[in-house]
Amino acid sequence: DSGVTQTPKHLITATGQRVTLRCSPRSGDLSVYWYQQSLDQGLQFLIQYYNGEERAKGNILERFSAQQFPDLHSELNLSSLELGDSALYFCASSVDSGDSPLHFGNGTRLTVT
Amino acid sequence: AQSVTQLDSQVPVFEEAPVELRCNYSSSVSVYLFWYVQYPNQGLQLLLKYLSGSTLVKGINGFEAEFNKSQTSFHLRKPSVHISDTAEYFCALTGGSYIPTFGRGTSLIVHP
Repeated sequence: DSGVTQTPKHLITATGQRVTLRCSPRSGDLSVYWYQQSLDQGLQFLIQYYNGEERAKGNILERFSAQQFPDLHSELNLSSLELGDSALYFCASSVDSGDSPLHFGNGTRLTVT
Repeated sequence: AQSVTQLDSQVPVFEEAPVELRCNYSSSVSVYLFWYVQYPNQGLQLLLKYLSGSTLVKGINGFEAEFNKSQTSFHLRKPSVHISDTAEYFCALTGGSYIPTFGRGTSLIVHP
């Protein structure tokens, strides 16, 4: 058990809709990362938050947004969904130093129909 | 910019045989290197990491990896695999940005 909790495990929704993915980091970790995993793109970094503030942005679409709340849980919002957004979305947390490994949740599998 | 290349997308091997999963990296700064394993329907979990010091690092489940700076490689090895090692393996690095960059993954398939 990594200590990182992601909900829901599965989401099935239609094109054009909006969904919210939730992540609770491991106790003590201030940094939260979001990754998208798909067969054709591999594991793509989306965004990082540290102690409530956005720290770094990766290949995140403008239709996607995220935030980290005072209790350190994070939410990833995906809007105007397209078929190509179907993927596994992972949240990971760390103590935020380059030598610290990431601790991953089990992911949310999003299917857009 | 930094990048990680995992040279094999799939590695089939028989049980109790040795295996090597290859990883090459590119970075203009010093790096920290990691190997993660992903079992079906689970998130990634850390196998081992190289931070500094001895270039041979040992991890969980009998895996080890060797850091080779001149070859910019960090290959993962296990002398004798089990069926339960069947999984996806990811090589990753963090450099100046502290944002981990992952390779595309190697699917290890262990046959009985």
